[in-house]
Amino acid sequence: AQSVAQPEDQVNVAEGNPLTVKCTYSVSGNPYLFWYVQYPNRGLQFLLKYITGDNLVKGSYGFEAEFNKSQTSFHLKKPSALVSDSALYFCAVRDPSGGSYIPTFGRGTSLIVHP
Amino acid sequence: ETGVTQTPRHLVMGMTNKKSLKCEQHLGHNAMYWYKQSAKKPLELMFVYSLEERVENNSVPSRFSPECPNSSHLFLHLHTLQPEDSALYLCASSQEQSPTSGAGELFFGEGSRLTVL
Repeated sequence: AQSVAQPEDQVNVAEGNPLTVKCTYSVSGNPYLFWYVQYPNRGLQFLLKYITGDNLVKGSYGFEAEFNKSQTSFHLKKPSALVSDSALYFCAVRDPSGGSYIPTFGRGTSLIVHP
Repeated sequence: ETGVTQTPRHLVMGMTNKKSLKCEQHLGHNAMYWYKQSAKKPLELMFVYSLEERVENNSVPSRFSPECPNSSHLFLHLHTLQPEDSALYLCASSQEQSPTSGAGELFFGEGSRLTVL
């Protein structure tokens, strides 16, 4: 079975400071990991994904995420936060080798960037 | 027109009505999904159509029925809904190399906000 956890319901950060949104996962095989962002009254937008290769993945809007197999984590990061980054962020995992290609989403983390 | 388009964006219906949500993807993808997003709850997968295979969440009530006439169109037919079915219904698509690939990221529509009175 596959699962993903986002331990923080909300993350607060000041504009210009670095931000981290945490995600941990549990799979039986090798994970495919994804981050999505949702702005109010909108659908989810894809930010980045890890399939294989370099553990540091770069994505849209200056975001990046680091795959850490030993800690089963895939935290989302950005060196300098913008007020416009305020949104709901979702981590998702797929484990095709475990028999399921259907993605499982985390509960979401609300990121609030203060001016 | 590009991306994933959902209509209507807003729908208010009574419990005895029958309505349908429509989704169209212009990305040439081979998998389409319906998700339910309720306040304070995780994103709930309802149905997936991928490479002519259909997967459904067994916890979804039978008052929701999907239809996928081709790889570009997806419908969610609604009948005798309950107030707790009020939510944002999201359609998504992805490109998969095989039914069990799973490497494709999902592209979401803007959602259909459903209110059941």
